[in-house]
Amino acid sequence: GENVEQHPSTLSVQEGDSAVIKCTYSDSASNYFPWYKQELGKRPQLIIDIRSNVGEKKDQRIAVTLNKTAKHFSLHITETQPEDSAVYFCAAAKAGRRALTFGSGTRLQVQP
Amino acid sequence: DTAVSQTPKYLVTQMGNDKSIKCEQNLGHDTMYWYKQDSKKFLKIMFSYNNKELIINETVPNRFSPKSPDKAHLNLHINSLELGDSAVYFCASSPTWWGVGNIQYFGAGTRLSVL
Repeated sequence: GENVEQHPSTLSVQEGDSAVIKCTYSDSASNYFPWYKQELGKRPQLIIDIRSNVGEKKDQRIAVTLNKTAKHFSLHITETQPEDSAVYFCAAAKAGRRALTFGSGTRLQVQP
Repeated sequence: DTAVSQTPKYLVTQMGNDKSIKCEQNLGHDTMYWYKQDSKKFLKIMFSYNNKELIINETVPNRFSPKSPDKAHLNLHINSLELGDSAVYFCASSPTWWGVGNIQYFGAGTRLSVL
């Protein structure tokens, strides 16, 4: 089955800096890669996703890149703010499998 | 209106008891899921239903039995609770699988503590 590895497990940045979280996946058939943000005690919420026919996607301060050949994808957050502090999860899915395989999560702390 | 709602939010119970968690979605989605998030925050799929039909069962012990009376509801019943069942259980839903991937909407979670 699919295996998703996520790094780093914790990340501390100063407000205004950029943050990058990286994930690799094992199943070359995976073609959908969402990123979820989970604040303490809350539900995971989708912040951005990318499909395998696209190499990069941007939404304001958040961007995701996908390298299908290397089977890795990354989340980039620019101009970080304290409210970006949360646990971020990458995930992967493929056609025909109605579930997400999640990475282990990255705890991002943005220091004011 | 809450899109995916699950009850209860907190559940504290003794080992050996049987308990249920209910989930309802008002998004008109065809597919519903149960995920388990353990104390280390790992999120793992347990079950997936599409139009009341079980399509994924990820080697979850038989003590866990999902039931979908209709496509808007997916309940989780757990028999003979064990300490290791303590976790946060998230229900989620997504629209019809078009083959590429669909956004999953999560409920607020049920924090189960087995004493």
